[in-house]
Amino acid sequence: GAGVSQSPSNKVTEKGKDVELRCDPISGHTALYWYRQSLGQGLEFLIYFQGNSAPDKSGLPSDRFSAERTGGSVSTLTIQRTQQEDSAVYLCASSARQGSYEQYFGPGTRLTVT
Amino acid sequence: QKEVEQDPGPLSVPEGAIVSLNCTYSNSAFQYFMWYRQYSRKGPELLMYTYSSGNKEDGRFTAQVDKSSKYISLFIRDSQPSDSATYLCAMGRYSTLTFGKGTMLLVSP
Repeated sequence: GAGVSQSPSNKVTEKGKDVELRCDPISGHTALYWYRQSLGQGLEFLIYFQGNSAPDKSGLPSDRFSAERTGGSVSTLTIQRTQQEDSAVYLCASSARQGSYEQYFGPGTRLTVT
Repeated sequence: QKEVEQDPGPLSVPEGAIVSLNCTYSNSAFQYFMWYRQYSRKGPELLMYTYSSGNKEDGRFTAQVDKSSKYISLFIRDSQPSDSATYLCAMGRYSTLTFGKGTMLLVSP
């Protein structure tokens, strides 16, 4: 079946602009995660959605970052007033149920802030 | 001390070699231990996971966990050039994973 998809695959934006990154999880998966991967760094957890529960936002680095998940499916990560240090690959993952550690990743969105 | 430590490499081996990739961790609350493989410009792909100390084998891959030492390993037998990738270890607690920085593996023909 279809895996996790993300769009756009690449995004170049000017410093100070807002960007929206989209994630379509695997159909039927209830949990959705956003991570950030910077050059030479591991995956940094950003936010976690599980069903209709309040999201775990503990990994968001600043209030310029926000995310929503509509209808328990598609998610959008928004970065406002982008900074050069926001340049990274943003990865989305989904898993079948709460408590499952088997996370399946999308290909990522490569964000470059100039 | 970071929760998960992983040597970034690169680790270069000839085709057919046995590869050993390792991670150490500090949080004894971790319950699940996983290995992901990430090819260049792709998302991580789940390779193996285990939740107990001991070995788990899947084809050419063996995952080993030693909870008493807080040490996990991934062994790759008969390594192939197609195994060239970055290998990420990850530890699970509740519903979240903490990742190592990844080890880059290069298998030369």
